[in-house]
Amino acid sequence: DIQLTQSPSFLSASVGDRVTITCRASQGISSYLAWYQQKPGKAPKLLIYAASTLQSGVPSRFSGSGSGTEFTLTISSLQPEDFATYYCQQLNSYPLYTFGQGTKLEIK
Amino acid sequence: EVQLVESGGGLVQPGGSLRLSCAASGFTFSSYWMSWVRQAPGKGLEWVANIKQDGSEKYYVDSVKGRFTISRDNAKNSLYLQMNSLRAEDTAVYYCARAQDFWSGYLSYDAFDIWGQGTMVTVSS
Repeated sequence: DIQLTQSPSFLSASVGDRVTITCRASQGISSYLAWYQQKPGKAPKLLIYAASTLQSGVPSRFSGSGSGTEFTLTISSLQPEDFATYYCQQLNSYPLYTFGQGTKLEIK
Repeated sequence: EVQLVESGGGLVQPGGSLRLSCAASGFTFSSYWMSWVRQAPGKGLEWVANIKQDGSEKYYVDSVKGRFTISRDNAKNSLYLQMNSLRAEDTAVYYCARAQDFWSGYLSYDAFDIWGQGTMVTVSS
């Protein structure tokens, strides 16, 4: 089974900061990775698919990169509405999918 | 509006059964793989099961194999999850999600682009 490890698990930052979250896969998954944002009490929201393609309607301050086993989600300038938990998901082992453990982004 | 609405959650005793439903609207339900994803209280997301467009293929996470059954009725635009032999560790919010194929050149990349609001399942005596 492919495991995903996100780091850090918790991140404290301020409005305007640039932040990066890393997702590492236990084996190569090419670019079959998605990123989701989840706010408390809400369903996850798709941000990025194919490792680096922004979903329609997602602000351009979000970006994704990587291939193989290491991936990053970057928020270029944090906005108040960006404080949430972020998850990566591998879709390489179709149709068996797994999520990372999540990264909680909190206001400093 | 493209929408998924779950129902059927509730409190059930260990060893009991529950059937979750997910009603789809605003898109051609029969054209998509569909999934169930769960989230235990205070925990992360866990993919639970997938079903192909015509119901001919079904896949499960190991922890629910033999206990949960995913199914769909394309005529009713509905997805289901029959949960038997429930355990305390099945306590979670259960989401249904649509698996979208995103094409980049000749390659297809999946992602879960539409999610329901979730339904809570509590397994406790």
